Order: sequence, then C-alpha cells, then structure tokens
Amino acid sequence: AQKVTQAQTEISVVEKEDVTLDCVYETRDTTYYLFWYKQPPSGELVFLIRRNSFDEQNEISGRYSWNFQKSTSSFNFTITASQVVDSAVYFCALSGVEYGNKLVFGAGTILRVKS
Amino acid sequence: EAQVTQNPRYLITVTGKKLTVTCSQNMNHEYMSWYRQDPGLGLRQIYYSMNVEVTDKGDVPEGYKVSRKEKRNFPLILESPSPNQTSLYFCASSLSWAGGQAFFGQGTRLTVV
Repeated sequence: AQKVTQAQTEISVVEKEDVTLDCVYETRDTTYYLFWYKQPPSGELVFLIRRNSFDEQNEISGRYSWNFQKSTSSFNFTITASQVVDSAVYFCALSGVEYGNKLVFGAGTILRVKS
Repeated sequence: EAQVTQNPRYLITVTGKKLTVTCSQNMNHEYMSWYRQDPGLGLRQIYYSMNVEVTDKGDVPEGYKVSRKEKRNFPLILESPSPNQTSLYFCASSLSWAGGQAFFGQGTRLTVV
C-alpha cells in the first residue's frame, strides 16, 4: 500500500534559521513520483517539485533544496535562511502506477516562521 | 494563463440540499480529479477521470458524484450533503495520469449545517 508520512505536525523557527521537513514514503512500485506542495494561508496549493524514482539527484532551487534517498524511502525538503513568507502548510505526496496514479498525500507539516 | 477554476470558493448549505461545485481547466488536460482536505488527513482523492466519459472512484467517493461530458469540465455533485462533508475541496488536472504535475484549483470551502 502507498503511504506518505510527515512525522512533523508543526514546526516553529525564527527567521533566517534553516529548517528541514521530513517525508517518508512506502510503495511497492518501482516507478513512482514524489511531490512537494506548499499551501500558504490563502489556501491554494502551490507546486514546488516533482521527482521520479529513477532520479536520485538532489535538487536546489534558490533557498529550497530536496534530498531524495531511495535507500531510506525519504524525500526531505530543506528551506535555508527561512523567511516569514515561508509560513505555510507543506505537503509531500506520492504517485504510482499501482494505485491509479492518484496523488497520495501526507498529513502535512505546518511551518511557522517568526520574525 | 494556464489554470484550474473552481466555483464557488465558499459555500454554506443545509443538510440534504443538492449542490454542485464546478471545475474547469484550460490546459486540455486529460486527467482530472477531486480531493478533499481535512485536518490531520492531508488530501484524499474522491473521484478521478482519465478522459471524457471515463470516471472512477478514488479513496472517499461515498456521497459524491461526478461527470465528465467535456474535457475541460469536471463538476462535483453532492446529491444530499451531510455535515461530514464539510471540508475544503480541490479540483486538479494533469496532462497525463502517469505522474504528471497536478495543477490545483483555488479550493472550495464547503460547510454543511
């Protein structure tokens, strides 16, 4: 069965701190995709990244970076030098062939960045 | 501008009164789906559609109906809403069903009293 676990329900940091959001997944698929979405207080879902199971390269986009480790089934997300505008709910999600390619979401991590 | 448009954004209704939440995308995507978001549960898929006239149940389909008569539209129908359907609903579309990036609508916050 597919499952995505975001063990951190809520994280609070002070501006300029680095913060890592954890995501652990389970799947029997060999081909699958991992995603991160951001949900700011306004409520919309903002796509951040998609990674397929064959690409284990880490990715950096500005202050955001992602660490994909198949060996530990993890796809962690790090924000460097956090800012108040990073305050949001962050969702990790998994998609695979076996279950119709729907997005299976984790419960989300609330990130609060204080000034 | 590529987008998924949901209406209404907010809705308060009474138990048993049929309602429809509309969803339209302008990207010619084949795959569309509906999710509901509840605290502590993330988003769960309600129904999905792989193309016109092809729909199927997701994880939590009870109490919902959908239709896909045109490629761009995928309405969500609650024939007899109940309070446990109070939730935040999202429509999503993607180019293909195999791992494509999902574009989400703005969300519809539904309250059933």
